[in-house]
Amino acid sequence: SQKIEQNSEALNIQEGKTATLTCNYTNYSPAYLQWYRQDPGRGPVFLLLIRENEKEKRKERLKVTFDTTLKQSLFHITASQPADSATYLCVEGGGSYIPTFGRGTSLIVHP
Amino acid sequence: NAGVTQTPKFQVLKTGQSMTLQCAQDMNHNSMYWYRQDPGMGLRLIYYSASEGTTDKGEVPNGYNVSRLNKREFSLRLESAAPSQTSVYFCASSEALGGGGTDTQYFGPGTRLTVL
Repeated sequence: SQKIEQNSEALNIQEGKTATLTCNYTNYSPAYLQWYRQDPGRGPVFLLLIRENEKEKRKERLKVTFDTTLKQSLFHITASQPADSATYLCVEGGGSYIPTFGRGTSLIVHP
Repeated sequence: NAGVTQTPKFQVLKTGQSMTLQCAQDMNHNSMYWYRQDPGMGLRLIYYSASEGTTDKGEVPNGYNVSRLNKREFSLRLESAAPSQTSVYFCASSEALGGGGTDTQYFGPGTRLTVL
């Protein structure tokens, strides 16, 4: 079965820097990967989707890449702000019938 | 548009008690899901309903039952609650699971359940 691996350690960065979060998958290449943001006490919120045949996707300060050779997606937040502090979840879809979520990485942006 | 709504927001049960968590969506989505989220475990799928009239087990279905009441509503029932079911429960919906589309999910606010 598919496994989605995200760094369990929190990422601490200074305001204004670029945050980079990693999502690795272990088996088949999914048709697409999605990234969600989750704030404490709330449900996840969809941010971006990148398909297998896309190298890069951007939305405002967010950028996602998909490298099928490395079996990896990188999620970047440029010019990070304290308001970006949250847990970010990676999820694969289109391969197995049931989407598989990673455990998420906590991002803490210090002012 | 309310999106995905869940009731109740909080619940405390004693071991052995039963309860039903309610979920409704107003986006005309075909697929609905129930997850539980525990510290360090991430989101784990309990049951899902790909379309009205169908339900299937996810990763951790034991101790739960579901009902897809109609296209809008998907309920989760705990017949005999156990302390191991203490968790935060999220309901989600998407346009259509599989079928070549994307499964972008929209989540409810969650139900925080404690079983004593």
